Amino acid sequence: NAGVTQTPKFQVLKTGQSMTLQCAQDMNHNSMYWYRQDPGMGLRLIYYSASEGTTDKGEVPNGYNVSRLNKREFSLRLESAAPSQTSVYFCASSEGRGRGSNQPQHFGDGTRLSIL
Amino acid sequence: AQSVTQPDIHITVSEGASLELRCNYSYGATPYLFWYVQSPGQGLQLLLKYFSGDTLVQGIKGFEAEFKRSQSSFNLRKPSVHWSDAAEYFCAVAPYSGGGADGLTFGKGTHLIIQP
Repeated sequence: NAGVTQTPKFQVLKTGQSMTLQCAQDMNHNSMYWYRQDPGMGLRLIYYSASEGTTDKGEVPNGYNVSRLNKREFSLRLESAAPSQTSVYFCASSEGRGRGSNQPQHFGDGTRLSIL
Repeated sequence: AQSVTQPDIHITVSEGASLELRCNYSYGATPYLFWYVQSPGQGLQLLLKYFSGDTLVQGIKGFEAEFKRSQSSFNLRKPSVHWSDAAEYFCAVAPYSGGGADGLTFGKGTHLIIQP
């Protein structure tokens, strides 16, 4: 009963390096999301994907790209990492499709990323 | 755009005492409302949700929340807290229909400390 699985759990990068965070869900959910969590800021939406083949920007998309590889997987890429991207990244999925979904989101355990 | 305010950054409660965590939202219509809990080093777990109907909703772990339209509030309550309830609690809102990015808008969280 895996739910939402994120890899890696921890990563340290140097400024300017690139990295892809992986996320996979086994609940056959339509929508997937990437959030970042910073102290005192709550969670902020980076990108989301309402269905396979579609992605849309959230509140804080700058410096990131995403790929919805298939229905199960949604990856987040940092092309040139910056110290401001040090954060905990959470992937989530939900049954809902598109805007105004009332379906709850299920979260992974997070990836703790430090940019030196 | 919708917003969520959790006025209390930290709350300390004695074990066995009652608890109320405050949440106020700003949105033009009735949104979908959620409470999530995050234990240290973990992802977010859904406690309860409100979509419509009865304004008092029951969740897991003995939590309940009451939606008050006139006050734009969705406060979380528990009659008697346990040491295991120590965690970070997030209130979140999703748009009822259309407008802006999909995904949840989170409050900044309330850190709950349980005193023996």
